[in-house]
Amino acid sequence: GDSVTQMEGPVTLSEEAFLTINCTYTATGYPSLFWYVQYPGEGLQLLLKATKADDKGSNKGFEATYRKETTSFHLEKGSVQVSDSAVYFCAGFSGNTPLVFGKGTRLSVIA
Amino acid sequence: DAGVTQSPTHLIKTRGQQVTLRCSPKSGHDTVSWYQQALGQGPQFIFQYYEEEERQRGNFPDRFSGHQFPNYSSELNVNALLLGDSALYLCASSSTGETKKETQYFGPGTRLLVL
Repeated sequence: GDSVTQMEGPVTLSEEAFLTINCTYTATGYPSLFWYVQYPGEGLQLLLKATKADDKGSNKGFEATYRKETTSFHLEKGSVQVSDSAVYFCAGFSGNTPLVFGKGTRLSVIA
Repeated sequence: DAGVTQSPTHLIKTRGQQVTLRCSPKSGHDTVSWYQQALGQGPQFIFQYYEEEERQRGNFPDRFSGHQFPNYSSELNVNALLLGDSALYLCASSSTGETKKETQYFGPGTRLLVL
């Protein structure tokens, strides 16, 4: 079945550092891909998405590009802030499959 | 515009009991999905409701059941609770569009503790 493989954390960065969280997706079809963020004690918030190859999703300084050839959707941010500390989940679905999540990557940003 | 709402926020039950969790979808959405998120894990799909019927189901036992009402709100019922059912239960809503590539929006979750 479909699966999402996500870089394991935790990741600890200093403020203004560059962030990359890797994500790859295995599917029989062409998936829609998402990044969700979960702040402590809260539910999931949609961060960005891409629905076809070469799409770039972006929001709040975060970006991810859907690379069809590698089925990757790596999350990047040029300069992280303390307020970005959270757990980030890569997710996707294709066709009629339900949304599949990665295990999550905990990011801690220190001042 | 209210987002996805869930109730209650927290719940404590004992083994063998039954629990009902509730979800109201985002305005304009007609599809509700339920997920179980164990501590330190990603959400796992339980089932999805559309037009008051279960449309898809994940790998969860029959103890987990649900319902969708005409106003698109939904309930998740869990019978014969086990310690392992302790988790954050997330509801997500979406709109079934023509492209089928609908985005799911999540509620804040209900944290269930089974003692």
